[in-house]
Amino acid sequence: EVQLVESGGGLVQPGRSLKLSCAASGFTFSNYYMAWVRQAPKKGLEWVATISTSGSRTYYPDSVKGRFTISRDNAKSSLYLQMNSLKSEDTATYYCARRGGDAWGQGASVTVSS
Amino acid sequence: DVVMTQTPPSLSVAIGQSVSISCKSSQSLVYSDGKTYLHWLLQSSGRSPKRLIYQVSNLDSGVPDRFSGTGSQKDFTLKISRVEAKDLGVYYCAQTTHFPYTFGAGTKLELK
Repeated sequence: EVQLVESGGGLVQPGRSLKLSCAASGFTFSNYYMAWVRQAPKKGLEWVATISTSGSRTYYPDSVKGRFTISRDNAKSSLYLQMNSLKSEDTATYYCARRGGDAWGQGASVTVSS
Repeated sequence: DVVMTQTPPSLSVAIGQSVSISCKSSQSLVYSDGKTYLHWLLQSSGRSPKRLIYQVSNLDSGVPDRFSGTGSQKDFTLKISRVEAKDLGVYYCAQTTHFPYTFGAGTKLELK
């Protein structure tokens, strides 16, 4: 069974950093592009980062470019999202997902507030 | 960025009725490999999204054939026949042809 389990969410002050992790199991992690998708409270979905199978290529929308960094460790079947210079508008549930959207984690809640 | 325009924003439906949701993209979603990476997902209340249809018209495993997807290039439709209570929630179209990937704003399907 494919499983994606996020961790690392929490309350953080504006301007600070936070790192999310996603533990993958049930499939060959290194064969898949992976992504982070977020959902602000009562809002829609937004892709915030995508990474190639080897980790050599990464993609971000303008809303997070330069502040967020996606990375992966294929030996550990783990995906990461380093979030720097956090803003209140980054408050959301962050989902780890396979690129095609066919598998999702349960989400990690991030609240940016003083 | 590719803008995905989804309509209507909400639908009220009676159990057993059929409904359609439209999704239009600002650019063609045909990738260089000839495939069209347009997908449909459902997010039930309090749950993670779940993909129902991939590449326009292919049903994911376990998805009943009451769901169907059609379209090409920039114009796509999701149809749900004989709506059941478990179909309620927010439907999203999503494109993974062009970076950055983008979603439609969602269509909330609720009971009349």
